[in-house]
Amino acid sequence: DAKTTQPPSMDCAEGRAANLPCNHSTISGNEYVYWYRQIHSQGPQYIIHGLKNNETNEMASLIITEDRKSSTLILPHATLRDTAVYYCIPHPDSNSGYALNFGKGTSLLVTP
Amino acid sequence: ETGVTQTPRHLVMGMTNKKSLKCEQHLGHNAMYWYKQSAKKPLELMFVYSLEERVENNSVPSRFSPECPNSSHLFLHLHTLQPEDSALYLCASSQGLALAGNNEQFFGPGTRLTVL
Repeated sequence: DAKTTQPPSMDCAEGRAANLPCNHSTISGNEYVYWYRQIHSQGPQYIIHGLKNNETNEMASLIITEDRKSSTLILPHATLRDTAVYYCIPHPDSNSGYALNFGKGTSLLVTP
Repeated sequence: ETGVTQTPRHLVMGMTNKKSLKCEQHLGHNAMYWYKQSAKKPLELMFVYSLEERVENNSVPSRFSPECPNSSHLFLHLHTLQPEDSALYLCASSQGLALAGNNEQFFGPGTRLTVL
Protein backbone atom coordinates (compact mmCIF):
# COMPACT_ATOMS: atom_id res chain seq x y z
CA ASP A 1 0.00 0.00 0.00
CA ALA A 2 1.11 3.53 -0.68
CA LYS A 3 2.75 5.26 2.27
CA THR A 4 2.69 9.01 2.65
CA THR A 5 5.07 11.48 4.25
CA GLN A 6 3.83 14.88 5.33
CA PRO A 7 5.49 17.48 7.55
CA PRO A 8 3.92 17.26 11.02
CA SER A 9 3.21 20.97 11.23
CA MET A 10 3.30 24.21 9.25
CA ASP A 11 2.50 27.85 9.87
CA CYS A 12 1.01 30.30 7.41
CA ALA A 13 0.12 33.97 7.70
CA GLU A 14 -3.49 34.88 7.04
CA GLY A 15 -4.04 35.95 3.45
CA ARG A 16 -0.94 34.19 2.15
CA ALA A 17 -0.88 30.97 0.16
CA ALA A 18 -0.46 27.77 2.15
CA ASN A 19 1.46 25.07 0.27
CA LEU A 20 1.18 21.66 1.89
CA PRO A 21 3.49 18.97 0.48
CA CYS A 22 2.98 15.23 0.46
CA ASN A 23 5.34 12.49 -0.62
CA HIS A 24 3.68 9.30 -1.91
CA SER A 25 6.53 7.68 -3.82
CA THR A 26 5.00 4.17 -3.73
CA ILE A 27 1.60 5.16 -5.11
CA SER A 28 0.22 2.71 -7.66
CA GLY A 29 -1.22 3.60 -11.03
CA ASN A 30 -4.87 3.30 -10.06
CA GLU A 31 -4.66 5.23 -6.80
CA TYR A 32 -6.00 8.75 -6.73
CA VAL A 33 -4.51 11.34 -4.37
CA TYR A 34 -7.20 12.61 -2.01
CA TRP A 35 -6.88 15.50 0.40
CA TYR A 36 -9.04 15.89 3.47
CA ARG A 37 -8.82 18.16 6.46
CA GLN A 38 -10.11 17.91 10.00
CA ILE A 39 -10.82 20.98 12.04
CA HIS A 40 -10.59 20.38 15.77
CA SER A 41 -13.52 18.33 17.16
CA GLN A 42 -15.22 18.09 13.76
CA GLY A 43 -15.55 15.35 11.18
CA PRO A 44 -13.07 15.22 8.28
CA GLN A 45 -13.90 17.38 5.27
CA TYR A 46 -13.17 16.42 1.68
CA ILE A 47 -11.08 19.03 -0.16
CA ILE A 48 -9.96 17.77 -3.54
CA HIS A 49 -8.58 14.76 -5.38
CA GLY A 50 -6.71 13.97 -8.57
CA LEU A 51 -5.08 11.18 -10.52
CA LYS A 52 -2.53 12.67 -12.91
CA ASN A 53 -3.57 16.16 -13.85
CA ASN A 54 -3.55 19.24 -11.66
CA GLU A 55 -6.96 20.06 -10.23
CA THR A 56 -8.63 23.18 -8.89
CA ASN A 57 -11.91 23.76 -7.12
CA GLU A 58 -13.40 26.46 -4.94
CA MET A 59 -11.40 25.34 -1.92
CA ALA A 60 -7.94 24.57 -3.20
CA SER A 61 -5.59 23.55 -6.00
CA LEU A 62 -3.80 20.24 -6.26
CA ILE A 63 -0.48 19.97 -8.05
CA ILE A 64 0.69 16.41 -8.82
CA THR A 65 4.20 15.82 -10.13
CA GLU A 66 4.55 14.11 -13.47
CA ASP A 67 5.95 10.94 -11.87
CA ARG A 68 3.07 11.04 -9.33
CA LYS A 69 5.47 10.54 -6.44
CA SER A 70 4.48 13.73 -4.70
CA SER A 71 1.79 16.37 -4.63
CA THR A 72 1.13 19.79 -3.15
CA LEU A 73 -2.15 21.15 -1.85
CA ILE A 74 -2.42 24.90 -2.27
CA LEU A 75 -4.81 27.09 -0.30
CA PRO A 76 -4.43 30.31 -2.26
CA HIS A 77 -5.49 32.77 0.44
CA ALA A 78 -5.43 31.11 3.84
CA THR A 79 -7.86 32.27 6.50
CA LEU A 80 -7.99 31.57 10.22
CA ARG A 81 -10.77 29.05 9.51
CA ASP A 82 -8.28 26.98 7.49
CA THR A 83 -6.43 26.01 10.68
CA ALA A 84 -6.80 22.23 10.70
CA VAL A 85 -4.98 18.94 10.21
CA TYR A 86 -4.57 18.18 6.49
CA TYR A 87 -4.37 14.62 5.25
CA CYS A 88 -2.97 13.36 1.96
CA ILE A 89 -4.48 9.95 1.17
CA PRO A 90 -3.76 7.72 -1.82
CA HIS A 91 -7.00 5.84 -2.48
CA PRO A 92 -8.33 3.29 -3.19
CA ASP A 93 -5.68 1.22 -1.51
CA SER A 94 -5.79 -2.47 -2.35
CA ASN A 95 -4.73 -3.36 1.20
CA SER A 96 -7.04 -1.05 3.12
CA GLY A 97 -10.22 -1.81 1.23
CA TYR A 98 -12.84 0.88 1.52
CA ALA A 99 -11.13 2.72 4.37
CA LEU A 100 -9.41 6.05 3.99
CA ASN A 101 -5.97 5.81 5.64
CA PHE A 102 -5.73 9.18 7.33
CA GLY A 103 -2.27 8.83 8.83
CA LYS A 104 -0.90 11.70 10.92
CA GLY A 105 -1.31 14.56 8.46
CA THR A 106 0.04 18.11 8.65
CA SER A 107 -1.24 20.42 11.36
CA LEU A 108 -1.61 23.81 9.67
CA LEU A 109 -1.80 26.88 11.86
CA VAL A 110 -2.94 30.07 10.16
CA THR A 111 -1.91 33.12 12.14
CA PRO A 112 -3.28 36.69 12.02
CA GLU B 1 -30.94 19.72 6.67
CA THR B 2 -28.11 18.99 4.27
CA GLY B 3 -25.06 16.75 4.21
CA VAL B 4 -24.48 14.10 6.84
CA THR B 5 -25.97 14.51 10.30
CA GLN B 6 -25.29 12.54 13.46
CA THR B 7 -27.16 12.34 16.75
CA PRO B 8 -26.46 12.64 19.55
CA ARG B 9 -23.39 14.85 19.34
CA HIS B 10 -22.29 13.83 22.82
CA LEU B 11 -23.12 10.68 24.81
CA VAL B 12 -22.07 9.49 28.24
CA MET B 13 -23.00 5.95 29.15
CA GLY B 14 -22.23 3.32 31.74
CA MET B 15 -20.82 -0.06 30.87
CA THR B 16 -24.18 -1.78 31.38
CA ASN B 17 -26.22 0.64 29.26
CA LYS B 18 -27.60 0.14 25.78
CA LYS B 19 -27.60 3.13 23.47
CA SER B 20 -27.72 3.83 19.75
CA LEU B 21 -25.97 6.33 17.50
CA LYS B 22 -27.84 7.61 14.49
CA CYS B 23 -26.54 8.87 11.16
CA GLU B 24 -28.57 10.33 8.33
CA GLN B 25 -27.34 11.46 4.93
CA HIS B 26 -29.26 13.86 2.70
CA LEU B 27 -27.00 13.48 -0.33
CA GLY B 28 -28.68 10.60 -2.16
CA HIS B 29 -25.62 8.42 -1.63
CA ASN B 30 -25.62 4.62 -1.74
CA ALA B 31 -22.73 3.80 0.60
CA MET B 32 -22.36 4.59 4.31
CA TYR B 33 -19.50 4.04 6.75
CA TRP B 34 -18.81 4.01 10.50
CA TYR B 35 -15.35 5.12 11.64
CA LYS B 36 -13.86 5.32 15.14
CA GLN B 37 -11.34 8.00 16.13
CA SER B 38 -9.62 7.46 19.47
CA ALA B 39 -7.47 10.11 21.07
CA LYS B 40 -4.20 10.63 19.21
CA LYS B 41 -4.90 7.72 16.82
CA PRO B 42 -5.86 7.72 13.14
CA LEU B 43 -9.40 7.01 12.07
CA GLU B 44 -10.29 3.33 12.00
CA LEU B 45 -12.95 1.99 9.65
CA MET B 46 -15.53 -0.14 11.48
CA PHE B 47 -18.31 -0.97 9.02
CA VAL B 48 -19.27 -0.31 5.40
CA TYR B 49 -22.73 -0.59 3.90
CA SER B 50 -23.65 -0.41 0.24
CA LEU B 51 -27.30 -0.32 -0.77
CA GLU B 52 -28.19 -1.42 2.78
CA GLU B 53 -25.95 -4.50 2.61
CA ARG B 54 -22.94 -4.77 4.91
CA VAL B 55 -19.83 -5.22 2.78
CA GLU B 56 -17.08 -4.85 5.37
CA ASN B 57 -16.71 -5.54 9.07
CA ASN B 58 -13.20 -4.80 10.29
CA SER B 59 -12.99 -7.24 13.21
CA VAL B 60 -15.18 -5.03 15.34
CA PRO B 61 -16.30 -6.52 18.70
CA SER B 62 -19.89 -7.72 18.84
CA ARG B 63 -20.75 -5.09 21.44
CA PHE B 64 -20.99 -2.77 18.41
CA SER B 65 -23.93 -3.70 16.17
CA PRO B 66 -24.65 -1.71 13.00
CA GLU B 67 -27.99 -1.41 11.28
CA CYS B 68 -28.81 0.13 7.90
CA PRO B 69 -32.59 0.14 7.36
CA ASN B 70 -32.34 2.18 4.14
CA SER B 71 -29.70 3.99 2.12
CA SER B 72 -30.20 7.25 4.03
CA HIS B 73 -29.94 5.96 7.60
CA LEU B 74 -27.25 4.14 9.53
CA PHE B 75 -27.31 3.18 13.19
CA LEU B 76 -24.66 1.90 15.58
CA HIS B 77 -26.17 0.02 18.51
CA LEU B 78 -23.99 -0.10 21.61
CA HIS B 79 -24.19 -2.47 24.57
CA THR B 80 -21.87 -3.46 27.43
CA LEU B 81 -19.13 -1.13 26.23
CA GLN B 82 -15.76 -0.71 27.91
CA PRO B 83 -14.07 2.55 28.93
CA GLU B 84 -11.54 2.05 26.12
CA ASP B 85 -14.43 2.37 23.65
CA SER B 86 -14.61 6.08 24.48
CA ALA B 87 -13.90 7.88 21.22
CA LEU B 88 -15.31 10.06 18.46
CA TYR B 89 -17.57 7.96 16.23
CA LEU B 90 -17.86 9.30 12.71
CA CYS B 91 -20.33 8.44 10.00
CA ALA B 92 -19.59 9.03 6.33
CA SER B 93 -21.32 8.49 3.01
CA SER B 94 -20.26 8.31 -0.62
CA GLN B 95 -22.03 8.06 -3.94
CA GLY B 96 -20.86 4.48 -4.32
CA LEU B 97 -18.15 2.32 -2.85
CA ALA B 98 -14.71 3.91 -2.66
CA LEU B 99 -13.02 1.08 -4.51
CA ALA B 100 -14.71 2.33 -7.65
CA GLY B 101 -12.40 5.33 -7.39
CA ASN B 102 -13.25 8.97 -7.88
CA ASN B 103 -15.67 8.70 -4.98
CA GLU B 104 -15.08 11.03 -2.08
CA GLN B 105 -16.55 10.35 1.35
CA PHE B 106 -18.54 13.02 3.18
CA PHE B 107 -18.37 12.94 6.96
CA GLY B 108 -20.79 13.90 9.68
CA PRO B 109 -19.72 15.90 12.75
CA GLY B 110 -19.35 12.77 14.88
CA THR B 111 -20.66 11.59 18.23
CA ARG B 112 -18.30 12.06 21.17
CA LEU B 113 -18.83 8.93 23.30
CA THR B 114 -17.64 8.56 26.87
CA VAL B 115 -18.00 5.20 28.61
CA LEU B 116 -17.78 5.33 32.38
